[in-house]
Amino acid sequence: EAGVVQSPRYKIIEKKQPVAFWCNPISGHNTLYWYRQNLGQGPELLIRYENEEAVDDSQLPKDRFSAERLKGVDSTLKIQPAELGDSAVYLCASSLARGTYEQYFGPGTRLTVT
Amino acid sequence: RKEVEQDPGPFNVPEGATVAFNCTYSNSASQSFFWYRQDCRKEPKLLMSVYSSGNEDGRFTAQLNRASQYISLLIRDSKLSDSATYLCVVSPSGGSYIPTFGRGTSLIVHP
Repeated sequence: EAGVVQSPRYKIIEKKQPVAFWCNPISGHNTLYWYRQNLGQGPELLIRYENEEAVDDSQLPKDRFSAERLKGVDSTLKIQPAELGDSAVYLCASSLARGTYEQYFGPGTRLTVT
Repeated sequence: RKEVEQDPGPFNVPEGATVAFNCTYSNSASQSFFWYRQDCRKEPKLLMSVYSSGNEDGRFTAQLNRASQYISLLIRDSKLSDSATYLCVVSPSGGSYIPTFGRGTSLIVHP
């Protein structure tokens, strides 16, 4: 069974440019998470989707970040405009549902903003 | 106090040693607990769930202490391949569900 797929794997952009990340979760997983992980830190939740509904987005910087999950499957996370401090690894994860179900992570997108 | 705290280490141990990590959490309403393993420049991978009654998987044992609000991970007979960062994640029940990861504990197993 295919795991969580993310693209691109690496992205280098200049500050003030837009960037988008794509995630395809494990088939049948209703819950999708976007995390940001800085060096030496654990993943920090940005937003969680239950099917196509965005919930738990309190930690998403809404002035520059946006996300969508059309049809409750694939998801896109966008940053516009990017800032130097956005350099991090952006991880997507999915689980069968929220609660006690374990999360499965994609390989992440390593973003460098110069 | 951070919601989830881990000693970043590194824990430097010889092969065959037994090593234990703790992870403390501040939200007494937390209901779900997991340990993940993360290799350098890789994504976190689930190591094991932590149940109220404890959980054992081969050389790995996870325990939950609700009274003191911490979970633990014990690794017996350490292997070189156990070298990684071990992340704990804690989630509350009901309402806003935000899984919170610790910063991870680095383990280095040497020959």
